[in-house]
Amino acid sequence: AQSVTQLDSQVPVFEEAPVELRCNYSSSVSVYLFWYVQYPNQGLQLLLKYLSGSTLVESINGFEAEFNKSQTSFHLRKPSVHISDTAEYFCAVSDNYGNKLVFGAGTILRVKS
Amino acid sequence: DTGVSQNPRHKITKRGQNVTFRCDPISEHNRLYWYRQTLGQGPEFLTYFQNEAQLEKSRLLSDRFSAERPKGSFSTLEIQRTEQGDSAMYLCASSRGLAATYEQYFGPGTRLTVT
Repeated sequence: AQSVTQLDSQVPVFEEAPVELRCNYSSSVSVYLFWYVQYPNQGLQLLLKYLSGSTLVESINGFEAEFNKSQTSFHLRKPSVHISDTAEYFCAVSDNYGNKLVFGAGTILRVKS
Repeated sequence: DTGVSQNPRHKITKRGQNVTFRCDPISEHNRLYWYRQTLGQGPEFLTYFQNEAQLEKSRLLSDRFSAERPKGSFSTLEIQRTEQGDSAMYLCASSRGLAATYEQYFGPGTRLTVT
């Protein structure tokens, strides 16, 4: 079975500062990794995913995540955050059958001006 | 695509009553998923359908819960004899195929409050 641990429940940060949201996973098989974002009063949206190939994946709005197999991590980073990045971010894994997603508890990113 | 829709958006019911939620997936998405999300937690998988076939159910889905997807289109999730512990946000998602390959598109959820 797979599990996901998001180490920080809330991360406050000032606008234009860098941020890292941590995610560690546990699995006995190969996994695929995802970050989903939930903006206030909206549904979950896929932010980025790692399936194979380059361990560094990027989103269209400047976030990136790096798959680290030895550390079983998939941390999300952004070099300079905006107020509009305020949201809850969920890390998720899918086993290689891809039948379902297993989510972490989420990290609330609060960007302050 | 008009997105995944869920109805109702909010439901308040008394303990012991039955409730039914509906999910309309994106058209032509053959996979449909139900998740449950409680306060401070991420979504937890409940069950999924490939077309009209229910292929997997979580242990979270007690015998009071039943889900259907007649004709492989919309889906319903029914909870019988609701308990206060059933209070949660119920999320529906749909996709074209395997979670690893195809994005799951989530609906806005149905918030259930059991009093």
